[in-house]
Amino acid sequence: DTAVSQTPKYLVTQMGNDKSIKCEQNLGHDTMYWYKQDSKKFLKIMFSYNNKELIINETVPNRFSPKSPDKAHLNLHINSLELGDSAVYFCASSQDPSYEKLFFGSGTQLSVL
Amino acid sequence: QKEVEQNSGPLSVPEGAIASLNCTYSDRGSQSFFWYRQYSGKSPELIMFIYSNGDKEDGRFTAQLNKASQYVSLLIRDSQPSDSATYLCAVLPPGGSRLTFGEGTQLTVNP
Repeated sequence: DTAVSQTPKYLVTQMGNDKSIKCEQNLGHDTMYWYKQDSKKFLKIMFSYNNKELIINETVPNRFSPKSPDKAHLNLHINSLELGDSAVYFCASSQDPSYEKLFFGSGTQLSVL
Repeated sequence: QKEVEQNSGPLSVPEGAIASLNCTYSDRGSQSFFWYRQYSGKSPELIMFIYSNGDKEDGRFTAQLNKASQYVSLLIRDSQPSDSATYLCAVLPPGGSRLTFGEGTQLTVNP
């Protein structure tokens, strides 16, 4: 069983479109994250949820909106996609916010044309 | 100054050699330090973590931490071609709410 699974693996879309990425973890962790990795491999946190509550919201355009229906799921919705949004987006989970041994999903390669 | 700095490389070592990966961090109060390995096209995976000054060994991997110098390193002994990957250093600052990653060092082990 995959511990942290995210879909889709690849997402190719046009500028201006709206898209969503889904993430689920079966580790029983309380905290989930979205990270963005740019072409230079720099991995930067976007959001963190603990038990469905938003605890980290980095400087991210408000076109990005996370949603956590329960502690096992954290989805990312992106409105009005821009070229600069092209990156790999990783979902991750950990036991709690201060114990950050992260387990990452396989990533979603987003290409905005 | 970046919060976590690594030499981006690429670092190239022959098979069987020791690979040394270095990382410095800016927040002196940082508590926890992690090394992640990321193969091309894959997700990062945790390989080592260290909390106290000194060395921590796990198989062929040794993490070294010097809080006074704000320096953490990863040594890979008997390097194998399968160790070729990008190694990401990550630091948990005071308050422990946000893991900060360096830009990674790309390691190539040549057969």
